[in-house]
Parts: sequence; structure tokens; C-alpha cells
Amino acid sequence: AQTVTQSQPEMSVQEAETVTLSCTYDTSESDYYLFWYKQPPSRQMILVIRQEAYKQQNATENRFSVNFQKAAKSFSLKISDSQLGDAAMYFCAYRSPLLGGSEKLVFGKGTKLTVNP
Amino acid sequence: DSGVTQTPKHLITATGQRVTLRCSPRSGDLSVYWYQQSLDQGLQFLIQYYNGEERAKGNILERFSAQQFPDLHSELNLSSLELGDSALYFCASSVSPEQVSQGGYTFGSGTRLTVV
Repeated sequence: AQTVTQSQPEMSVQEAETVTLSCTYDTSESDYYLFWYKQPPSRQMILVIRQEAYKQQNATENRFSVNFQKAAKSFSLKISDSQLGDAAMYFCAYRSPLLGGSEKLVFGKGTKLTVNP
Repeated sequence: DSGVTQTPKHLITATGQRVTLRCSPRSGDLSVYWYQQSLDQGLQFLIQYYNGEERAKGNILERFSAQQFPDLHSELNLSSLELGDSALYFCASSVSPEQVSQGGYTFGSGTRLTVV
């Protein structure tokens, strides 16, 4: 079974600085999808960024980018120019490519990000 | 507003009771997923429906059941409630299985269940 590990329960960053959140996963599959979700105090789960395992190019979405290291099974999230609104729980998630089966996401336990003014 | 509507937002009930959580997926979405978020277990997949049919089951207790109706809304029924069932229950939806790979799910804002 796939597992996702986020080794940093909490992180903090100064406003306008850069922070990197770590995520590792365990799978025997060669093709899969990875996601980062943000959960602010409002509880809403918001998709931040996604990465297909077959793509070597790291995904970017504005100030958010990932460092995808397939061999190391690592998928870190970099937030540049951190803003107060980035403060939230961040969850890394894995999705199997199997069609016809479940499309469930396997989530890590999350990293709480604090942004200091 | 994500387009996925969950009701109620908060629910407080006593042990041994039964509750029903409701989810209306985003317009056009055929798949509905239920997740439980607790402090110790994190986000755990419970069950998935696609166009009215159960598609996959996760760590869902026998005391819990769900269904998806012809209008595509879904209900999660929790019975014989225990203190440990206190959690945030999320519903998510997607148009199709393929869309999950492309853009993930669209989540509702959750139902906070407190069992006392």
C-alpha cells in the first residue's frame, strides 16, 4: 500500500521569505500523481499544485513550485515570497494511476505553516 | 465557494446515536468521495461513489454506510456513535476518475461531528 510521509509537523517562515515543505512517499508503481493541498483555518481543502510522475519537469503555480525527485520518492513544496495568507496546514497526497479502480488520495499527516509578519 | 455543499456544518450528538451527513457535489460531477479527518489519523479515505454505484471502499467502519442518489447527492450515515468518531468529515467530488488525476478533487468545507 502506498504511504505518504510529511516529516515536519510544523514550519514557520518570515513574510516575503521562502520556505520548503517536505514530503516523501512509498510506492511500487511507476506512474502516479502527486498533489499538495492547503487547508486554511476555514477548513476548506484547496488544491495548490499537482505533478504527474511521468513528467520530469517540476510543476509551478505562481509562487508555488515543487521539487519532484522520482528516484528518491520525494515531492517537496517551495513557497516563494511567503504571504500571511499562506498560513495553513499543507497536505501532500498521492494518487494511483489505476483506471477502473479507486481514485482515492492517500494523504500525509500534514505540515502546519506559520507565516510571521 | 467550491461548489460542493455539505450539511450540516456542525453536529453535536451523544454516544450511541445515529447521524446523517449530506453532500451535494459540484454541478456536473459524477464521483463523490468521503474522507474522515481526525487529529490522530489524519485524512482517511472512507468510500467513493460514481454515478450512483459504489466504486471503492477504504477504512470505513461497519457502523458507517453511504449512498449516492439519482440526483447525485450523497449521504454518509454514522450509527452507534462513539467518542472516537468525533472528526471532520469531508466530501469531495470530481467529474470523472480521469479528472482526479488532472486536477484533484473539489472538496466541500466539511461537517464537524462532535460526539459527547
